Amino acid sequence: RKEVEQDPGPFNVPEGATVAFNCTYSNSASQSFFWYRQDCRKEPKLLMSVYSSGNEDGRFTAQLNRASQYISLLIRDSKLSDSATYLCVVNTAGGFKTIFGAGTRLFVKA
Amino acid sequence: DVKVTQSSRYLVKRTGEKVFLECVQDMDHENMFWYRQDPGLGLRLIYFSYDVKMKEKGDIPEGYSVSREKKERFSLILESASTNQTSMYLCASSSGGIYNEQFFGPGTRLTVL
Repeated sequence: RKEVEQDPGPFNVPEGATVAFNCTYSNSASQSFFWYRQDCRKEPKLLMSVYSSGNEDGRFTAQLNRASQYISLLIRDSKLSDSATYLCVVNTAGGFKTIFGAGTRLFVKA
Repeated sequence: DVKVTQSSRYLVKRTGEKVFLECVQDMDHENMFWYRQDPGLGLRLIYFSYDVKMKEKGDIPEGYSVSREKKERFSLILESASTNQTSMYLCASSSGGIYNEQFFGPGTRLTVL
């Protein structure tokens, strides 16, 4: 089993739709979590951190469920510009251990 | 504006050649990383460095070495390139705690023939 797993998609949604991605992790000692966005043929860039209390940034909401060991990303009112690959990142204490998920591809259609 | 640059966007080398990939950051970050990205596998950490002349192995260090002689520069070396090292190579840097945001360079797409 992979340490961090994501549904590769692709998710094809119309503009204005709400879409959600999950990312599961296997190590219960994981401490910090992020969502990165990667556009086609570009480098990953931080989208948002994920906190235990959940956090929101405009149309984006990130949640952490420690009991079930997953993080989620919700995108409301999807825009064409949201089309990208979304990578979840899980950090574990006890030595540097940052694991990137393989990513979930999102296509938003007009 | 933060910036991480990589020496080449595209590189084609032959099997057995020694390959140098250079990464420079202008943010005075302590931590620097080398990843490779392959379809379906995501980013995998090759090596990282948390200080000048310091290096730590990541998940897939075999066949690679690194050098960090100056704070702003982190080099990845393929001692004898092989076809299974054909990949996208991404450099990143971060400040402070190792779990802080990483800033990535544009990547080098290396093809080994």
